[in-house]
This record gives sequence, C-alpha cells and structure tokens, in this order.
Amino acid sequence: GENVEQHPSTLSVQEGDSAVIKCTYSDSASNYFPWYKQELGKGPQLIIDIRSNVGEKKDQRIAVTLNKTAKHFSLHITETQPEDSAVYFCAASIGNDMRFGAGTRLTVKP
Amino acid sequence: EAGVAQSPRYKIIEKRQSVAFWCNPISGHATLYWYQQILGQGPKLLIQFQNNGVVDDSQLPKDRFSAERLKGVDSTLKIQPAKLEDSAVYLCASGNNSPLHFGNGTRLTVT
Repeated sequence: GENVEQHPSTLSVQEGDSAVIKCTYSDSASNYFPWYKQELGKGPQLIIDIRSNVGEKKDQRIAVTLNKTAKHFSLHITETQPEDSAVYFCAASIGNDMRFGAGTRLTVKP
Repeated sequence: EAGVAQSPRYKIIEKRQSVAFWCNPISGHATLYWYQQILGQGPKLLIQFQNNGVVDDSQLPKDRFSAERLKGVDSTLKIQPAKLEDSAVYLCASGNNSPLHFGNGTRLTVT
C-alpha cells in the first residue's frame, strides 16, 4: 500500500518568515495530494490540495508543489503568522484510499 | 453545510470495558472513514465504507474492533474489550471521492 513520509516533524519560524514542509510517497498511482491543518482539539481541516495533472497550486499565502517523477510534494507558507501555528499533515490518495504523513508541528514565534 | 458530527467528544474507560463512537457524515457523502490518531502521529485508516458496504477494513483489529453503517448514513465504531493501547483520538471523515471532511473526533482514554 501507499506509504507517505513527512519532514520535518517540528518546525519553528519567526513571524513573517516562510515555512516549507516536504512529503514523499511510494505509489506512483497516487493522484491526489491534500494538505490538512489540525489545531488542538479539532479534526484536520483541508487547506489546499493538488492533483497529479498539476505541478503547482497557490492560494494566497499557501502554495503546494508536486514533482511526480521524484514522488514528492511540498507545502509552502509565506509571511507566516502566529495563527498558522498548528500541526500540518500531508496525504496521498488513489481514489478513495487516502494515507497520511506523520505530521509537522509548526510554531510561528511573534 | 453542516460538518461531520461525532459523539461523544471524550470518553474515559477502564481496560477490558467496551465503548462505542458515533458519526453522522455530511449529507450526501457516500464514503465514510474511521481513522485512529495516536498522540503525535498522523491519522491511520481503520475502515472505509462506500454507502453501507465495507471497502477496506484491512487495518481494523477485528478481534476487538467492529464498525457498521447500516443505512448508509450514520456509523458506529465499537471497541470490545478495550486495551491501554487503544487510547487515541478516533476521527470520522466523509467525502465523495476527494477531499475528505473530518469531524472533531472522540478522544478515548483507556486506564
């Protein structure tokens, strides 16, 4: 089955700096790659996603890039704010079969 | 639209007791998932339903865990008997293909 690895496990940045989280996946058939943000006591919430026919997608301060050949994808957050502090999960899916990375705890220091 | 509803929010039980969790997915979502999230880890799929049929339960510990979605809407997940290592957040998610929408989960503590 699909295996998703995520790095780093923790990331601390200064407010206003950029943050980058990277994931790799094992199954070349995976075709959908969402990113979720999870705040304390809540379920994961989708923040951005990308499909395998697209190389990059941007939504305001958040962008995701996908390299299908290398089987890795990344989340980029620019101009970070304290409210961006949370745990971020990447995932890879084939159809309805979705597997998650272990998560990155992002801390944005004011 | 209303989100995925889960109850209870918290549950504390002793080992060897039984417990049940309930999930009401977003209206119209055919696919429903139960995930287990151990502290500090990503969600791990336990079972996936398509309408009222099981699509994937390969990672469900069937000796103690069971789940049903009888009418293709609500779902319950049961653990009987519970072990200490079952302490986790149990997340329910629903969707029609992608993306998945998650509930806020049930935090289970087994003592």
